[in-house]
Amino acid sequence: DQQVKQNSPSLSVQEGRISILNCDYTNSMFDYFLWYKKYPAEGPTFLISISSIKDKNEDGRFTVFLNKSAKHLSLHIVPSQPGDSAVYFCAASVIKAGSNYKLTFGKGTLLTVNP
Amino acid sequence: GAGVSQSPRYKVAKRGQDVALRCDPISGHVSLFWYQQALGQGPEFLTYFQNEAQLDKSGLPSDRFFAERPEGSVSTLKIQRTQQEDSAVYLCASSLGVVGYGYTFGSGTRLTVV
Repeated sequence: DQQVKQNSPSLSVQEGRISILNCDYTNSMFDYFLWYKKYPAEGPTFLISISSIKDKNEDGRFTVFLNKSAKHLSLHIVPSQPGDSAVYFCAASVIKAGSNYKLTFGKGTLLTVNP
Repeated sequence: GAGVSQSPRYKVAKRGQDVALRCDPISGHVSLFWYQQALGQGPEFLTYFQNEAQLDKSGLPSDRFFAERPEGSVSTLKIQRTQQEDSAVYLCASSLGVVGYGYTFGSGTRLTVV
Protein backbone atom coordinates (compact mmCIF):
# COMPACT_ATOMS: atom_id res chain seq x y z
CA ASP A 1 0.00 0.00 0.00
CA GLN A 2 1.68 3.16 -1.25
CA GLN A 3 1.46 5.88 1.38
CA VAL A 4 3.20 8.42 -0.86
CA LYS A 5 2.09 8.53 -4.46
CA GLN A 6 3.57 10.27 -7.45
CA ASN A 7 1.06 9.48 -10.15
CA SER A 8 2.99 10.96 -13.06
CA PRO A 9 5.94 8.75 -14.00
CA SER A 10 7.28 11.43 -16.32
CA LEU A 11 6.94 15.10 -17.24
CA SER A 12 8.43 17.03 -20.15
CA VAL A 13 8.67 20.85 -20.22
CA GLN A 14 10.39 23.51 -22.28
CA GLU A 15 13.35 25.40 -20.90
CA GLY A 16 12.24 28.61 -19.19
CA ARG A 17 8.73 27.35 -18.45
CA ILE A 18 7.35 26.16 -15.13
CA SER A 19 7.65 22.53 -14.02
CA ILE A 20 5.02 21.29 -11.57
CA LEU A 21 5.56 17.93 -9.91
CA ASN A 22 2.79 16.50 -7.81
CA CYS A 23 2.64 14.19 -4.81
CA ASP A 24 -0.25 12.77 -2.80
CA TYR A 25 -0.12 11.01 0.53
CA THR A 26 -2.56 8.87 2.46
CA ASN A 27 -1.10 8.79 5.97
CA SER A 28 -2.50 11.74 7.93
CA MET A 29 0.28 11.31 10.49
CA PHE A 30 2.88 12.63 8.05
CA ASP A 31 3.95 16.10 9.17
CA TYR A 32 7.18 16.74 7.30
CA PHE A 33 7.74 16.49 3.58
CA LEU A 34 10.84 16.54 1.43
CA TRP A 35 11.76 16.55 -2.23
CA TYR A 36 14.85 14.78 -3.49
CA LYS A 37 16.42 14.97 -6.92
CA LYS A 38 18.28 12.04 -8.44
CA TYR A 39 20.60 11.91 -11.43
CA PRO A 40 21.43 8.52 -13.03
CA ALA A 41 24.03 6.49 -11.12
CA GLU A 42 23.98 8.93 -8.22
CA GLY A 43 22.21 8.91 -4.88
CA PRO A 44 19.21 11.16 -4.22
CA THR A 45 20.10 14.74 -3.29
CA PHE A 46 17.99 16.76 -0.87
CA LEU A 47 16.27 19.68 -2.58
CA ILE A 48 13.69 21.33 -0.35
CA SER A 49 11.38 20.49 2.53
CA ILE A 50 8.25 21.74 4.25
CA SER A 51 6.72 21.27 7.66
CA SER A 52 3.00 20.69 8.02
CA ILE A 53 2.68 23.98 9.94
CA LYS A 54 3.40 25.81 6.69
CA ASP A 55 1.71 25.79 3.32
CA LYS A 56 4.58 27.13 1.26
CA ASN A 57 8.36 27.08 1.30
CA GLU A 58 10.55 28.76 -1.27
CA ASP A 59 14.23 28.39 -2.11
CA GLY A 60 15.40 30.18 -5.22
CA ARG A 61 13.74 28.64 -8.26
CA PHE A 62 12.11 25.91 -6.16
CA THR A 63 8.84 26.28 -4.25
CA VAL A 64 6.95 23.56 -2.44
CA PHE A 65 3.25 23.95 -1.70
CA LEU A 66 1.39 21.85 0.85
CA ASN A 67 -2.38 21.35 0.96
CA LYS A 68 -3.02 19.35 4.12
CA SER A 69 -6.76 19.03 3.66
CA ALA A 70 -6.21 17.46 0.25
CA LYS A 71 -3.11 15.54 1.42
CA HIS A 72 -1.31 16.95 -1.59
CA LEU A 73 1.96 18.69 -2.20
CA SER A 74 3.61 20.04 -5.28
CA LEU A 75 7.06 21.22 -6.31
CA HIS A 76 7.27 24.18 -8.67
CA ILE A 77 10.47 24.91 -10.59
CA VAL A 78 10.58 28.32 -12.26
CA PRO A 79 12.23 28.81 -14.66
CA SER A 80 13.07 25.26 -15.62
CA GLN A 81 16.59 24.59 -16.89
CA PRO A 82 18.01 21.59 -18.80
CA GLY A 83 20.16 20.76 -15.75
CA ASP A 84 16.95 20.17 -13.79
CA SER A 85 16.35 17.02 -15.84
CA ALA A 86 16.36 14.23 -13.25
CA VAL A 87 14.06 11.95 -11.26
CA TYR A 88 12.28 13.80 -8.46
CA PHE A 89 11.18 11.89 -5.38
CA CYS A 90 8.64 13.08 -2.86
CA ALA A 91 9.20 11.80 0.69
CA ALA A 92 7.34 12.09 3.97
CA SER A 93 8.13 11.65 7.62
CA VAL A 94 6.38 11.69 11.00
CA ILE A 95 8.41 14.15 13.06
CA LYS A 96 6.20 14.04 16.16
CA ALA A 97 6.49 10.29 16.64
CA GLY A 98 9.52 8.30 17.66
CA SER A 99 10.34 7.23 14.12
CA ASN A 100 11.03 10.73 12.83
CA TYR A 101 14.17 9.52 11.03
CA LYS A 102 12.26 7.24 8.66
CA LEU A 103 11.40 8.57 5.20
CA THR A 104 8.63 7.10 3.05
CA PHE A 105 9.27 7.78 -0.63
CA GLY A 106 7.08 7.92 -3.71
CA LYS A 107 8.10 6.15 -6.90
CA GLY A 108 9.47 9.30 -8.48
CA THR A 109 8.75 11.46 -11.52
CA LEU A 110 11.23 11.77 -14.37
CA LEU A 111 11.46 15.42 -15.40
CA THR A 112 12.90 16.25 -18.79
CA VAL A 113 13.57 19.89 -19.59
CA ASN A 114 14.02 20.43 -23.30
CA PRO A 115 16.31 23.23 -24.55
CA GLY B 1 35.55 12.24 3.08
CA ALA B 2 33.37 14.84 1.47
CA GLY B 3 30.40 12.59 0.89
CA VAL B 4 28.93 9.19 1.70
CA SER B 5 31.00 6.51 0.03
CA GLN B 6 29.64 3.08 -0.85
CA SER B 7 31.47 0.05 -2.18
CA PRO B 8 31.34 -1.84 -4.37
CA ARG B 9 29.40 0.23 -6.90
CA TYR B 10 28.21 -2.92 -8.66
CA LYS B 11 27.96 -6.48 -7.41
CA VAL B 12 26.82 -9.55 -9.29
CA ALA B 13 26.09 -12.53 -7.06
CA LYS B 14 24.98 -16.02 -7.85
CA ARG B 15 21.81 -17.11 -6.12
CA GLY B 16 22.68 -18.49 -2.71
CA GLN B 17 25.88 -16.50 -2.37
CA ASP B 18 26.52 -14.19 0.62
CA VAL B 19 27.34 -10.53 -0.05
CA ALA B 20 28.61 -7.63 2.04
CA LEU B 21 28.01 -4.01 1.12
CA ARG B 22 30.05 -1.26 2.71
CA CYS B 23 29.13 2.31 3.64
CA ASP B 24 31.53 5.06 4.76
CA PRO B 25 29.39 7.92 6.10
CA ILE B 26 30.41 11.55 6.32
CA SER B 27 32.86 11.95 9.17
CA GLY B 28 31.13 12.89 12.41
CA HIS B 29 27.65 11.97 11.24
CA VAL B 30 25.76 10.34 14.08
CA SER B 31 22.95 8.77 12.11
CA LEU B 32 23.27 6.19 9.37
CA PHE B 33 20.50 4.67 7.28
CA TRP B 34 20.18 1.89 4.74
CA TYR B 35 17.51 1.98 2.04
CA GLN B 36 16.67 -0.49 -0.73
CA GLN B 37 15.55 0.79 -4.13
CA ALA B 38 14.04 -1.76 -6.49
CA LEU B 39 13.79 -0.96 -10.19
CA GLY B 40 11.10 1.65 -10.86
CA GLN B 41 10.41 2.20 -7.16
CA GLY B 42 11.35 4.77 -4.59
CA PRO B 43 13.85 3.97 -1.85
CA GLU B 44 12.47 1.89 1.01
CA PHE B 45 13.76 2.09 4.57
CA LEU B 46 15.73 -0.88 5.84
CA THR B 47 17.48 0.09 9.04
CA TYR B 48 18.78 2.97 11.18
CA PHE B 49 21.84 3.40 13.38
CA GLN B 50 22.57 6.10 15.90
CA ASN B 51 26.31 5.81 16.43
CA GLU B 52 26.90 2.07 16.93
CA ALA B 53 23.40 1.31 18.15
CA GLN B 54 20.95 -0.18 15.68
CA LEU B 55 17.76 1.54 16.81
CA ASP B 56 15.42 0.32 14.11
CA LYS B 57 15.69 -2.71 11.84
CA SER B 58 12.00 -2.98 11.06
CA GLY B 59 12.53 -2.58 7.32
CA LEU B 60 14.88 -5.53 6.86
CA PRO B 61 12.95 -7.91 4.57
CA SER B 62 14.05 -11.15 6.21
CA ASP B 63 16.50 -12.66 8.65
CA ARG B 64 18.91 -13.09 5.73
CA PHE B 65 19.61 -9.36 6.00
CA PHE B 66 21.96 -8.14 8.70
CA ALA B 67 23.54 -4.73 9.28
CA GLU B 68 26.22 -3.57 11.66
CA ARG B 69 28.14 -0.44 12.58
CA PRO B 70 30.48 -1.66 15.30
CA GLU B 71 32.50 1.52 15.90
CA GLY B 72 29.86 4.06 15.03
CA SER B 73 31.34 4.98 11.66
CA VAL B 74 31.61 2.46 8.80
CA SER B 75 28.60 0.22 8.30
CA THR B 76 28.17 -3.09 6.50
CA LEU B 77 24.96 -4.54 5.15
CA LYS B 78 25.20 -8.29 4.76
CA ILE B 79 22.80 -10.43 2.78
CA GLN B 80 23.03 -14.18 3.23
CA ARG B 81 21.92 -16.75 0.66
CA THR B 82 20.97 -14.08 -1.88
CA GLN B 83 17.81 -14.53 -3.94
CA GLN B 84 16.71 -12.90 -7.17
CA GLU B 85 14.27 -10.62 -5.38
CA ASP B 86 17.22 -9.09 -3.51
CA SER B 87 18.35 -7.45 -6.77
CA ALA B 88 18.15 -3.71 -6.15
CA VAL B 89 20.21 -0.62 -5.48
CA TYR B 90 21.19 -0.40 -1.82
CA LEU B 91 21.55 3.19 -0.66
CA CYS B 92 23.31 4.34 2.45
CA ALA B 93 22.70 7.78 3.94
CA SER B 94 24.05 9.67 6.91
CA SER B 95 23.13 12.79 8.83
CA LEU B 96 24.54 14.89 11.61
CA GLY B 97 21.33 14.80 13.58
CA VAL B 98 18.65 12.28 14.20
CA VAL B 99 15.67 13.58 12.28
CA GLY B 100 14.82 13.02 8.64
CA TYR B 101 15.91 16.46 7.52
CA GLY B 102 17.49 15.91 4.16
CA TYR B 103 20.16 13.43 4.93
CA THR B 104 23.02 12.81 2.47
CA PHE B 105 22.85 9.69 0.34
CA GLY B 106 25.69 7.76 -1.21
CA SER B 107 25.60 6.67 -4.85
CA GLY B 108 24.49 3.19 -3.89
CA THR B 109 25.52 -0.36 -4.63
CA ARG B 110 23.66 -2.05 -7.47
CA LEU B 111 23.23 -5.71 -6.58
CA THR B 112 22.22 -8.16 -9.28
CA VAL B 113 21.49 -11.73 -8.25
CA VAL B 114 21.68 -14.22 -11.13
